[in-house]
Amino acid sequence: DAGVTQSPTHLIKTRGQQVTLRCSPKSGHDTVSWYQQALGQGPQFIFQYYEEEERQRGNFPDRFSGHQFPNYSSELNVNALLLGDSALYLCASSSLWDTQYFGPGTRLTVL
Amino acid sequence: RKEVEQDPGPFNVPEGATVAFNCTYSNSASQSFFWYRQDCRKEPKLLMSVYSSGNEDGRFTAQLNRASQYISLLIRDSKLSDSATYLCVVNMGGDMRFGAGTRLTVKP
Repeated sequence: DAGVTQSPTHLIKTRGQQVTLRCSPKSGHDTVSWYQQALGQGPQFIFQYYEEEERQRGNFPDRFSGHQFPNYSSELNVNALLLGDSALYLCASSSLWDTQYFGPGTRLTVL
Repeated sequence: RKEVEQDPGPFNVPEGATVAFNCTYSNSASQSFFWYRQDCRKEPKLLMSVYSSGNEDGRFTAQLNRASQYISLLIRDSKLSDSATYLCVVNMGGDMRFGAGTRLTVKP
């Protein structure tokens, strides 16, 4: 049984560019949550998708957007990248209210 | 005040020691509670859920005090492999709020 997968594993972008990160949930899970983890900090909640809708959102600007597809996979898009967007981006899947399981993350570096 | 606050650490302990981590949360409407473990440059992994009655999983014991909005994790007989960052997590209706984590290093 495949766990949560994310792609790419690493990414380097320059300021002002746009990036798309991808996540496939664990089999049987229908909810995907995205987190940003800066070095030395705990993960910060970005948003959560369920039934292809953004169900909840954390305190992140509109530059951060997402999408969930009918197969429950999800994308995180970040526009107009800033240096401060450099972080580990984690995707977690669950069955709505149940425990969340994390993917290995995408490490984004903005130069 | 941060929504979830943990002991800043780091904790450096010898093998076999008992170590306790504390965590407080600010939102009394929080619904469920967890401890996650995160190894360096890896994703967080669920260590255990935390129940009001307290729960134990081998060498690990978790406690929850809803009145004081306080969560704890006790690790007994610590092993070298317990070295990691321990994250306290509070679930508010699907919105998981993480503490900054407490780093534990277990030394021979």
